[in-house]
Amino acid sequence: DVKVTQSSRYLVKRTGEKVFLECVQDMDHENMFWYRQDPGLGLRLIYFSYDVKMKEKGDIPEGYSVSREKKERFSLILESASTNQTSMYLCASSFGAVDSPLHFGNGTRLTVT
Amino acid sequence: DAKTTQPNSMESNEEEPVHLPCNHSTISGTDYIHWYRQLPSQGPEYVIHGLTSNVNNRMASLAIAEDRKSSTLILHRATLRDAAVYYCILRANYGQNFVFGPGTRLSVLP
Repeated sequence: DVKVTQSSRYLVKRTGEKVFLECVQDMDHENMFWYRQDPGLGLRLIYFSYDVKMKEKGDIPEGYSVSREKKERFSLILESASTNQTSMYLCASSFGAVDSPLHFGNGTRLTVT
Repeated sequence: DAKTTQPNSMESNEEEPVHLPCNHSTISGTDYIHWYRQLPSQGPEYVIHGLTSNVNNRMASLAIAEDRKSSTLILHRATLRDAAVYYCILRANYGQNFVFGPGTRLSVLP
């Protein structure tokens, strides 16, 4: 079974802190994604990466950056955390083929105070 | 990205079949239809996907209309563990993005 592991299940940070969310997949997937999920807004794509060192902005990239130095690892960085970034963050991965399904981690619930 | 429309919520009795509908009237010829579900406190989980033909796997069946403007996810015998939010998504042939709508919240009654 594919495993997508997010480093933390729960995280509490202060406003202005730099926050790193880590995601690792064990299936040699080319594509990796970061979503955030908020009540009433569903899942929204922040960034995705289709190869090492490659990244594309999703629908809501403002306030975030990403890093993909190794194929299995995709990091989401909040440069200066703000309270409106309190959310559930979900990492996912897939093969590059267009009919390949997404595999999600269990999420990191981030609270910024 | 082509959009999908699903009912906000549905209810089913345990051990009965469930048919979850999805409309995608603006689907293009190369869009794949994917279904995911999200159990409480978990990330979404892949269920099934298809392009034109009906598909079956151990979790569910996917029935795709001949004109591809709609599809139906079929759970053959609902269990309490099937209570989740079900998302119908179109994935473009050229793009990498999956666009998630609000989904259908399925309740399963014992």
